[in-house]
Amino acid sequence: GNSVTQMEGPVTLSEEAFLTINCTYTATGYPSLFWYVQYPGEGLQLLLKATKADDKGSNKGFEATYRKETTSFHLEKGSVQVSDSAVYFCALRWGLAGANNLFFGTGTRLTVIP
Amino acid sequence: EAGVAQSPRYKIIEKRQSVAFWCNPISGHATLYWYQQILGQGPKLLIQFQNNGVVDDSQLPKDRFSAERLKGVDSTLKIQPAKLEDSAVYLCASSSDRAQYFGPGTRLLVL
Repeated sequence: GNSVTQMEGPVTLSEEAFLTINCTYTATGYPSLFWYVQYPGEGLQLLLKATKADDKGSNKGFEATYRKETTSFHLEKGSVQVSDSAVYFCALRWGLAGANNLFFGTGTRLTVIP
Repeated sequence: EAGVAQSPRYKIIEKRQSVAFWCNPISGHATLYWYQQILGQGPKLLIQFQNNGVVDDSQLPKDRFSAERLKGVDSTLKIQPAKLEDSAVYLCASSSDRAQYFGPGTRLLVL
């Protein structure tokens, strides 16, 4: 079946530190991969996505590359800010035409301290 | 562009009571989803609508949960009767171009 495994948190970093949140997946075929972010008190927001192998998604200084050979989609940022404190969810989309289902990981809470 | 709207934002009920949640998707989005997010877990799909038809409800506990989208726009999700383990955040999302946009969620606490 389809599943997403995320690095467990919480993760605490100092401002300007390098961030990596690991994500690996299991899926049949070729899923699309996503990172969603949930800021305190807000709903889930799409951060970035990649729809095929070797694609790199990027947004707000965050990047993730779709690695088919390692079934991974690790999230990285070179220099985190306090405002990046949030919960990050890795997700995959796979399904029959029209299904468009998202399978989420358990989330990783990031806290950035000044 | 207005986002996905949900109400209420918070609800506290006792077990065996019933509760309903409302969702208004982004205008023009044909696909609507309801997710359940239990504390410490990722969201889990409960049901997906395409216009007013159900595409996938395989994860919906149909003995107590029901959902409808009668006119293909707004949707309601109902739980009757509620159990303690239904305490969670219920998220509504809509999509048009294969990217899903989420509402703020309804936080349900069952006592």
